[in-house]
Amino acid sequence: AQTVTQSQPEMSVQEAETVTLSCTYDTSENNYYLFWYKQPPSRQMILVIRQEAYKQQNATENRFSVNFQKAAKSFSLKISDSQLGDTAMYFCAFRYNFNKFYFGSGTKLNVKP
Amino acid sequence: GAGVSQTPSNKVTEKGKYVELRCDPISGHTALYWYRQSLGQGPEFLIYFQGTGAADDSGLPNDRFFAVRPEGSVSTLKIQRTERGDSAVYLCASSLTAGGGGRTDTQYFGPGTRLTVL
Repeated sequence: AQTVTQSQPEMSVQEAETVTLSCTYDTSENNYYLFWYKQPPSRQMILVIRQEAYKQQNATENRFSVNFQKAAKSFSLKISDSQLGDTAMYFCAFRYNFNKFYFGSGTKLNVKP
Repeated sequence: GAGVSQTPSNKVTEKGKYVELRCDPISGHTALYWYRQSLGQGPEFLIYFQGTGAADDSGLPNDRFFAVRPEGSVSTLKIQRTERGDSAVYLCASSLTAGGGGRTDTQYFGPGTRLTVL
């Protein structure tokens, strides 16, 4: 069975500072994909970043980057220069076949002015 | 272009009633997915369509839940004899293709339908 664990239910960060959200997963698969999605109060899930497990290089998207540790089954998200608009729920997700996502329980991020 | 849309945005019904939730995917997207998100939880997979056919319905909790996509575009999630435990946000997502590993399989989500069963 595939499981995704986010151990931080809620986090706060000052505007312009850096914050790291943690995610671990469990799988026996070798080829899979990992994602971070953002869900603001509007409920719409927005893709933040994705990582292919076969790639050793960590993915980056502007202020967002990941630390992917395949052996440790860890996939953390770093947000640099935090902005008020980053306030949202963040979900870590895992996908190993074509379509079925497994999501963690989420981390609520509050960016304070 | 327009994103994934879902109607209604909120639905309140009574226990035992039948409900239909609609999803309009992004035009041209062949794959469509339904998820259920309970309060304080991440989304849980329900069913996936490739074109008109349900390619994977392993997430449907029981036979009260059914989904269709007759013309390969709009999809309807149908729940019979609703129970209070069905209360959740139902999310729909679509992707240009399914699988393959390229960026074309990125899933784009709609805003969801909040279902409340009294």
